[in-house]
Amino acid sequence: SQKIEQNSEALNIQEGKTATLTCNYTNYSPAYLQWYRQDPGRGPVFLLLIRENEKEKRKERLKVTFDTTLKQSLFHITASQPADSATYLCALDGMDSSYKLIFGSGTRLLVRP
Amino acid sequence: GAVVSQHPSWVICKSGTSVKIECRSLDFQATTMFWYRQFPKQSLMLMATSNEGSKATYEQGVEKDKFLINHASLTLSTLTVTSAHPEDSSFYICSARLGGSYSNQPQHFGDGTRLSIL
Repeated sequence: SQKIEQNSEALNIQEGKTATLTCNYTNYSPAYLQWYRQDPGRGPVFLLLIRENEKEKRKERLKVTFDTTLKQSLFHITASQPADSATYLCALDGMDSSYKLIFGSGTRLLVRP
Repeated sequence: GAVVSQHPSWVICKSGTSVKIECRSLDFQATTMFWYRQFPKQSLMLMATSNEGSKATYEQGVEKDKFLINHASLTLSTLTVTSAHPEDSSFYICSARLGGSYSNQPQHFGDGTRLSIL
């Protein structure tokens, strides 16, 4: 069955360092992958979308890579700030043609001042 | 742009009550909206896909008679939890997407509704 794995343990880093979050998937060949940020008690906020034919995508301090051979996406936040502390979700399009999203369980990022 | 408003933000009610949650796209038209349920520290679980002018498509295991979805206009979808019981208590989140049914555009989420059934 389809499976999306994100590190369930919180990632705790020092301000200014680069945070790297991992999203692995199995039994999937997604056409694209998305990353969202979710703060406690709020809905997710879209950050980046990367397509299967793209290796890397950047937006300001954010960078996403997509390796369809390894079935993995990495999400990087450079020069991290305490305000970056949140849960980050990866999402892949479903196996059917409706382009509905299947979400990972998210990784909580804590950036210490 | 692409703002989605969800109302109410929280509801506390007695068992047996029906609760309606509204999801509005404020500055764009959404032919497709999605309803999710999220338990603490868990992922978003898709409940149903709501298409304007047609019946919603429910995910396996979601009772359509329990969770009624109406998408009567391009900017409004509603989820009604009928005869709610304590096990229905959860965080319900809607999202809206630009483009048609098979669009791969990002989803824009509301801020969720915390439902507590006593």
